[in-house]
Formats: sequence, C-alpha cells, structure tokens
Amino acid sequence: RKEVEQDPGPFNVPEGATVAFNCTYSNSASQSFFWYRQDCRKEPKLLMSVYSSGNEDGRFTAQLNRASQYISLLIRDSKLSDSATYLCVVNKGYGGSQGNLIFGKGTKLSVKP
Amino acid sequence: DAGITQSPRHKVTETGTPVTLRCHQTENHRYMYWYRQDPGHGLRLIHYSYGVKDTDKGEVSDGYSVSRSKTEDFLLTLESATSSQTSVYFCAISESTSGSPSDFGPGTRLLVL
Repeated sequence: RKEVEQDPGPFNVPEGATVAFNCTYSNSASQSFFWYRQDCRKEPKLLMSVYSSGNEDGRFTAQLNRASQYISLLIRDSKLSDSATYLCVVNKGYGGSQGNLIFGKGTKLSVKP
Repeated sequence: DAGITQSPRHKVTETGTPVTLRCHQTENHRYMYWYRQDPGHGLRLIHYSYGVKDTDKGEVSDGYSVSRSKTEDFLLTLESATSSQTSVYFCAISESTSGSPSDFGPGTRLLVL
C-alpha cells in the first residue's frame, strides 16, 4: 500500500450535492491527519485537522477510521467555490513531529451549476 | 491572509547556475518549510527550520541548501540547478508542534533549461 493514497478524481457533482472523499494511509502508527484544499495554480490552504472522534466545520465533516486506516472528508450542499483539489496529509508515524508529513496527490472536485 | 511572501514568483535559469529563492514571513512563526510540487507527486519537503540557524533535511534535500539568519527569512539555494529541479516551490510556516503548515506562500515557478 502506498504511504498515502487518494482517488485523483475528478469528481464532477452538481451544486447542492453531497460528496465524500476517502484517503488511505499505510502506517498504523500515524497520529496526525489533515485536509488541505488547493485551487488551480494556487498555494494549498489548511482546511481542517482530523480528530479521532470526527469533527465538523460548517458544511465539512472529517472522520478517521483507524481500524481500516483511512480518513474521509464529506462536503454537504456543495458550492461552486468548493471546486478545488483536496489534499490528504498524514504524519509518518515515526521520527519527530516536524518534517514528517506525507501529502497525498490530491482529489480534484468540480462543482457544476 | 497570512503575511508570507516568496520571491521571485517566476524564474527561468540555465542548468549549472546557482539559484536562491526567498521566503519572508511577518507572522513571527517558529517553523518554516520549503516544499516542491510536481505533477504526479504530492508536495514533498525539501528542508525545514525550527528556529534561527536551526534547519534540517526533508525527504528531497539533495541539491538544495537553506539558511535562516532571521526569524522572518528562510532562503532556499539550488547550488547548481538541474532540469530535474524544474518545479513549483512553496514556502510554508507554522507555530504548531504537529508539523502541519498553517499557511503557504504563493509559490515560485522555476524552470531550469
């Protein structure tokens, strides 16, 4: 299994739809998980951290499944402005806390009117 | 938006020439990072810094060096540029011990001919 794996998409959904992305990771010792979004030809932006109990920020819900080693991002009531690439980020699970993140290649979302 | 800038934003250079990219932050964050982003790869860490004069190697550090003489500035140097170093370079900052960048700079597009 690759260290961090995401479905590249694209996911093409209509406005108002609910869409979910999964991201699998290989190291069961990984402890920190994040979602970033990146607009075309722009810098990544931190969307949210992923906590063990799951967490929500407005229309966005992140969940962690340690048993199956994946994290998910659910977007409800999709907006045109949600169109972007969503990056899954996981720490390696060993070494110090710094310099030990693995970025996925991203899942592209396109929300259509 | 966070106060993080990169210069230059675009650069074309020739193989074998030295190149220095600059990252400047006004947030007084402790941690600074240099990443590169290439098609088919997730963001990959080149070097990072955890304080003035304190730096460490990332995943893809060969051919790169860094310096941090002031909290606000983190320089990335390609000692002798190669075509494989053609990429988009992102600087990032963080105050978090989790290692997750809170903000990224706008990126530098480097083309090595």
